[in-house]
Order: sequence, then C-alpha cells, then structure tokens
Amino acid sequence: DVKVTQSSRYLVKRTGEKVFLECVQDMDHENMFWYRQDPGLGLRLIYFSYDVKMKEKGDIPEGYSVSREKKERFSLILESASTNQTSMYLCASSFLGGSGGFDEQYFGPGTRLTVT
Amino acid sequence: AQTVTQSQPEMSVQEAETVTLSCTYDTSENNYYLFWYKQPPSRQMILVIRQEAYKQQNATENRFSVNFQKAAKSFSLKISDSQLGDTAMYFCAFRSNFGNEKLTFGTGTRLTIIP
Repeated sequence: DVKVTQSSRYLVKRTGEKVFLECVQDMDHENMFWYRQDPGLGLRLIYFSYDVKMKEKGDIPEGYSVSREKKERFSLILESASTNQTSMYLCASSFLGGSGGFDEQYFGPGTRLTVT
Repeated sequence: AQTVTQSQPEMSVQEAETVTLSCTYDTSENNYYLFWYKQPPSRQMILVIRQEAYKQQNATENRFSVNFQKAAKSFSLKISDSQLGDTAMYFCAFRSNFGNEKLTFGTGTRLTIIP
C-alpha cells in the first residue's frame, strides 16, 4: 500500500514563528504536492515538485516556501506564520506522467495548523 | 485556467438510497482526467473513481458510477445502495493532460447517510 505520512496531525504555533511541515512518501513517486484545505474553498495548491530540488508555484504560494532534498520527502515552510495561515494542510504524491490508472494522487492524513 | 464547480455544499440521504453529486468544470482542452475523491471524517482522502476524457464509456467502481457528459462539461457521481460508511466530503477534481499534473478541486459536497 502507498503510504504518505505527515509529521504532525495537529500543530499550534504563534504568529511570526517559522513553521516546518514534513511529508514523506514510500512509493518512489516523482511528484509531490502541498495543498491547503479551507471550508467552502476546497483544496488549493500551494507548491508542487516533480523532482528532487525542483519546485513550482501553485495557485497560492505567497507566504510559503518548500524544500525537496530527497525524493521521498517534501517540506512546506511558513517563514513567518500568520493567523490567516490557520488551515488544514494536505500533502500528496503521484507518479510523473502517470496515466491509465497510474495518475492517482495519494494523500497524507493532513496537518491541522492553528496560528495564534 | 480550469475551474471546477460543485453546487451542492451539503446533501443527506437515507441509507440504501441512491444519491447523485453534481460537478461541472470549465476547460478548453480536449484530453484531460476527472476524479472523485472521498474524505471521511478525520481520515485520509482517497480516490473513489476516475474518468479519462477520451473514453466515452462512463466509469464504474462497484456502487459508484459517473455520468460523464463531455459536451456539457459535467461529471456527476452516483452512489447506489448508500451505506453509513459513505458519509464523507466528496471532491471533484480536474487534471490537465498537458503541462504540470496538479489537480484543480471543487469546493466539495458534504454527504451524510442517515440510518
């Protein structure tokens, strides 16, 4: 079974803190994604990566950065956390160029981040 | 840019009944992929069913089936013989066949199955 794990299920941070969210997948997937999920807005893509050290901005990258030093690990960084970054953060991974049943994104359990 | 619209924020249905969740999308592409994902309460998002746009036949996975109307850009999910375990948020998602492989999600439908 594909497993995508995230470092924390719940996290509480203070405004201005630097926050690291970690994601690890064990399926040798090339693609990894970070989404945030907010009620009434669905999931929105923050950043994604299709290879080690490669990254591309998603739809809402402001206030975030990412790091991918190893294929299995993708980190989301909040340089200076703000209250409007309180949200559920979901990591996902998939095969690069997947089709015909190999295009599924596999999701982690999510990290509920609260910034006070 | 593609957009995905789910017009039903919440739905509820009696156990064993059939329910249909709506999804429409907007794209200028001809080849793409569509997905329905399920997010049970406090559990991980999982794929329910997928459809490739070039395939005319509607996808089916056990009690789950889709009604894919390409010209109308509609992709609804039908759940037959609904079960309590079907209670979840359901998200419709679009993936282009070109460029990056990100998913564009709708805003979700919260489905409750009533015993």
